[in-house]
Amino acid sequence: DAGVTQSPTHLIKTRGQHVTLRCSPISGHKSVSWYQQVLGQGPQFIFQYYEKEERGRGNFPDRFSARQFPNYSSELNVNALLLGDSALYLCASSSGDTTNTGELFFGEGSRLTVL
Amino acid sequence: AQSVAQPEDQVNVAEGNPLTVKCTYSVSGNPYLFWYVQYPNRGLQFLLKYITGDNLVKGSYGFEAEFNKSQTSFHLKKPSALVSDSALYFCAVRDITGFQKLVFGTGTRLLVSP
Repeated sequence: DAGVTQSPTHLIKTRGQHVTLRCSPISGHKSVSWYQQVLGQGPQFIFQYYEKEERGRGNFPDRFSARQFPNYSSELNVNALLLGDSALYLCASSSGDTTNTGELFFGEGSRLTVL
Repeated sequence: AQSVAQPEDQVNVAEGNPLTVKCTYSVSGNPYLFWYVQYPNRGLQFLLKYITGDNLVKGSYGFEAEFNKSQTSFHLKKPSALVSDSALYFCAVRDITGFQKLVFGTGTRLLVSP
């Protein structure tokens, strides 16, 4: 079975540009979460979506937005990129229902470099 | 707020020796605790979790973790380290706000020497 897939794996942008990152969850999983991992730190929660509804938002500016599609895939959008947005962006999926105890399955990540 | 702390930036151990990677937690209510491993330029891989029950939790690749409520700790252990265990290890706790958010520690780099 395919795991969580993310694209692109690497990308370079300049300050002020916009970026879209994509994620496909494990088949059957209805919840997608996004995390930002800056070099040398632990992942920080950005968003969680379940059944196309936003369930949670971390402490990130409004430049960050996301959505989930009917097939449960998801996009993370970041506008007006800053140097500090350079990071590994991780997508994680889970079943999302109340039986799930919080275990997340992560993709390989999209490494964003902002110049 | 839920939080975890990993007091060691790096742990060094010789191959074949036992290893321990430390984690302490601060939570409201019962903790849901996790360990993940990250290899260079890769995503996070789930190792094990504690939800309830037996304080000794067994996970993937021979790892186990001991939940200690009185010391608010959840240390990761392995009886005999392998060079291939060298990686970055993260402790995490589930947030209590109702959705499935994990709060991660800062990570501990494990270096196993031959």
